[in-house]
Amino acid sequence: DQQVKQNSPSLSVQEGRISILNCDYTNSMFDYFLWYKKYPAEGPTFLISISSIKDKNEDGRFTVFLNKSAKHLSLHIVPSQPGDSAVYFCAAQNNNAGNMLTFGGGTRLMVKP
Amino acid sequence: EPEVTQTPSHQVTQMGQEVILRCVPISNHLYFYWYRQILGQKVEFLVSFYNNEISEKSEIFDDQFSVERPDGSNFTLKIRSTKLEDSAMYFCASGRTVLNQPQHFGDGTRLSIL
Repeated sequence: DQQVKQNSPSLSVQEGRISILNCDYTNSMFDYFLWYKKYPAEGPTFLISISSIKDKNEDGRFTVFLNKSAKHLSLHIVPSQPGDSAVYFCAAQNNNAGNMLTFGGGTRLMVKP
Repeated sequence: EPEVTQTPSHQVTQMGQEVILRCVPISNHLYFYWYRQILGQKVEFLVSFYNNEISEKSEIFDDQFSVERPDGSNFTLKIRSTKLEDSAMYFCASGRTVLNQPQHFGDGTRLSIL
């Protein structure tokens, strides 16, 4: 199942700089997208989401951008902090076809002090 | 902040045995889910539950699996006769609604089948 893909398995960023995590999807019926953060031995923690009627949603240091024509979303973290080091998952949902989330494979972000 | 709690954190079971994984969803949430993540693979949807019945299930959720909300707080996943390939992290999640609302996850139960 490759409906949601995160092509970068890892990303290393200097503290204070911007982190950009990317996610691509193939199912044009997805209309709600989420980013989760996961630390080892913990469950995914909800970060931020965006509905397909928007192209940007911002919450503090976190901004999600959605490009529907390219079937691409990205998560920007500015400024990055060492505590942001975790695995980030994007997930997608089709509100008209049930409520299951389809996850990407995750990107491990390492923020170096 | 309210959270989803799961017990046990780690369950070791012999192949062929029954196992029950337990979850306490967030109290005002109405939708409940189970997902699993096999080591090195993606998080996969298993089943969703609303109004005391399954609303959706994946191909993984075969006759060996069942879910139940035995009382007003607990939500359980039962695997009747475990197989080696059932070894995974099992995550419970809950949500207030389904439309444009996030699902909130517990910390998972690591299930190890010997």
